[in-house]
Amino acid sequence: DTAVSQTPKYLVTQMGNDKSIKCEQNLGHDTMYWYKQDSKKFLKIMFSYNNKELIINETVPNRFSPKSPDKAHLNLHINSLELGDSAVYFCASSRGGNSYEQYFGPGTRLTVT
Amino acid sequence: GDSVTQMEGPVTLSEEAFLTINCTYTATGYPSLFWYVQYPGEGLQLLLKATKADDKGSNKGFEATYRKETTSFHLEKGSVQVSDSAVYFCALISNTGNQFYFGTGTSLTVIP
Repeated sequence: DTAVSQTPKYLVTQMGNDKSIKCEQNLGHDTMYWYKQDSKKFLKIMFSYNNKELIINETVPNRFSPKSPDKAHLNLHINSLELGDSAVYFCASSRGGNSYEQYFGPGTRLTVT
Repeated sequence: GDSVTQMEGPVTLSEEAFLTINCTYTATGYPSLFWYVQYPGEGLQLLLKATKADDKGSNKGFEATYRKETTSFHLEKGSVQVSDSAVYFCALISNTGNQFYFGTGTSLTVIP
């Protein structure tokens, strides 16, 4: 069973389009995250949700909007895609608290043309 | 604020060589420390962790010791294999438990 899953794995789209990436975890975790990894492998946290509530919202454009319908799902919607949004987006989850590691999904490679 | 500084790569080693990847941190209180590994085309996987000073995390021949006096958590392996080729990330979770900080990643290539 996949612990943290993301769909789609690859996403190629044109500038100006709106797209969504879905994430689901079956670990029973309370906290979920979205990260962006650039071409140099640098990881940047974007958002964190705990029990469906937003707890971390780093400086990202307003075009990015997370949505958590329940604590097992955290989706990422991106409006008006730009070339600079091309990256790999990772979803992760954890139990919360300062002893618990994060579990990562396989990533979604977004290419904006 | 809290942060993690990791040695820059890329690192290239011959098979069976000794590996050290340096990681130092800045944090208030007592964070938990982690090493993650990312194999090509995959997500990050937890490699090992340590939650208090002097703890040693170990897994798959890799080790790292939480050193509060030097604020370090260096990753070591005595004999690397080609299959260890990956990107390694040092990370910490803050004392409050709601902030995760990753290092910039170190790419390791092991050649036969």
